[in-house]
Formats: sequence, C-alpha cells, structure tokens
Amino acid sequence: KAGVTQTPRYLIKTRGQQVTLSCSPISGHRSVSWYQQTPGQGLQFLFEYFSETQRNKGNFPGRFSGRQFSNSRSEMNVSTLELGDSALYLCASSLFQGVNSPLHFGNGTRLTVT
Amino acid sequence: SQQGEEDPQALSIQEGENATMNCSYKTSINNLQWYRQNSGRGLVHLILIRSNEREKHSGRLRVTLDTSKKSSSLLITASRAADTASYFCATDLTGGYNKLIFGAGTRLAVHP
Repeated sequence: KAGVTQTPRYLIKTRGQQVTLSCSPISGHRSVSWYQQTPGQGLQFLFEYFSETQRNKGNFPGRFSGRQFSNSRSEMNVSTLELGDSALYLCASSLFQGVNSPLHFGNGTRLTVT
Repeated sequence: SQQGEEDPQALSIQEGENATMNCSYKTSINNLQWYRQNSGRGLVHLILIRSNEREKHSGRLRVTLDTSKKSSSLLITASRAADTASYFCATDLTGGYNKLIFGAGTRLAVHP
C-alpha cells in the first residue's frame, strides 16, 4: 500500500507570495492532519480534516488555510508568505478520526521563504 | 506551546547499548505515542500506549507510562546504527481527535 504522498518536496517562494501544498493520504484513510516543523517551535499542529470538514485547527493565523476533497486528498494554502513561514510542512493521515489512531506521515514539503 | 518535554535532548551511545528517552507532559491524555524521524524526512509511528496501560512492547522497543507522574519512557534495547534518528513523544489530549502535541524530541546517535 502506498504511503502518504506530499508534493512538491521542495519549494522556494518570495515574501508576500502564496503557496499551495498537496497531500495524498494512504488509500482508505479519511482523516488528514497538517503539521509545521521548525527548529525553533518544533512540531505544531495546523489543522485536521475528516470527510471534507475541518474538525480541528491549531493556533495559526488566518493566512494558513486548507481543504479536503471527496477523495480525501488535501491541500493547504499559505497566503502573504512571511520569512517565518519557512518550515517543513508535514501531512499525516489516519484510518479513523478519533482517539487511539496512529498517524502516518508523508516526507513533507520543505518551504523556504526568501 | 509544547505539551511534552523530552529528556535528554541528545543521546550518544555505542551499538549494542540500550537507549532510554523520557517524556513528561502536563495535562490528562487519551494516549501517548512515540515517533521516529530520520533527518529531513517524515515521522514514523513507533508505538501507542493508551492512558490505561502501563507498559507496552514492540520488538526492541519498550514503552512505559506513568499517568500519576505524567511521564513516559522509551527504551530501545541492543541499539543499532540504523536507530540513529530523532525520537518524539506526542500526546493525544482527551477528545483531541488527532491533534497531537509533540515534545521537542531526543536526538539519538548510535555509533558503530
């Protein structure tokens, strides 16, 4: 079974631009979560989707948004990029939405904002 | 803010030795999970221990959970060079629905 696929793997953007990252979950997984990883703040939860509905959101500004499609694929968008948005963005899927369900992570998208 | 704090921040051992990493957290949890991350790549789920469990084994991994002390430990026995990675604990808060709170991680280096 194919794992979680994130595209693109690397991205370089300029401050003020916007960016869209894509995530394809493991087949059959309906819950998709997004995390941001930086050296300073570590791993932080962005949001989680289940059946095309955002069920949970972390403490990030409104510039960060996402969506999930009917096939469970998900995208996240960051508008008006800032230097501090440079990070590894990780997508994870799980079979269920709920407790005791481990997450399966993709290899991430490395975003660099210059 | 991070829920979990891991100790030590870095650990360097020889192949064949055991590695122990500790995690402390602040609030009540549904479960605690351990993940491994190789440099620049995604996280790999290692083991999940529920709040009503005290110990769990998976191959060379042993995890303990003490909810009274709000702490957990991960023991890797007979370490191998391939175990070199960062290890993170993550807590699933009661009703969190996949919103995991990660610790800062322990960087483990296993030398041949």
